[in-house]
Amino acid sequence: SQTIHQWPATLVQPVGSPLSLECTVEGTSNPNLYWYRQAAGRGLQLLFYSVGIGQISSEVPQNLSASRPQDRQFILSSKKLLLSDSGFYLCAWSSTPGYGYTFGSGTRLTVV
Amino acid sequence: KNEVEQSPQNLTAQEGEFITINCSYSVGISALHWLQQHPGGGIVSLFMLSSGKKKHGRLIATINIQEKHSSLHITASHPRDSAVYICARGGDDKIIFGKGTRLHILP
Repeated sequence: SQTIHQWPATLVQPVGSPLSLECTVEGTSNPNLYWYRQAAGRGLQLLFYSVGIGQISSEVPQNLSASRPQDRQFILSSKKLLLSDSGFYLCAWSSTPGYGYTFGSGTRLTVV
Repeated sequence: KNEVEQSPQNLTAQEGEFITINCSYSVGISALHWLQQHPGGGIVSLFMLSSGKKKHGRLIATINIQEKHSSLHITASHPRDSAVYICARGGDDKIIFGKGTRLHILP
């Protein structure tokens, strides 16, 4: 069966420090991968999605970047965190765009 | 205007009450999701439906494609049902989330 792993679950980082959040999917090949963010009091917002290795689409200009070095690995990064980067980050995958999404357990990031 | 609108935003009820959370969307969908977010932030997928009705335990999800509307019902609510319930529509190659309904069940 397919599973999705996301880590870490919580993270506290100082302003200006780098960030790396990792998401991996097991049990499937060529998944569509997504990173979402939920800021305090707001709904989940799509940040990046990827339909294949090295293919990244960005939805919102920001201080973050994403990479897909392997078929089932999706990484969210930042070179220098801002206070406004605090929030809940969620990874998801689907085999078919627009259908059948499975979500990771999320990472709560606090930038101090 | 958000493409996915949920109501109510907040709901407090007594244990045992029948709960209804509504979701309306403005664009045709391939699938609609109901998610549960626990106080710690973890998200669990409850339902994915594209037509009709699904039931799992005390949870029931319905969708009316013509009216672009879905409802999540909880029967015999319990304090452990307290969470944020999120409606999300799948479409194109990405999913659009509602802002969630915060449910608090009092013992």
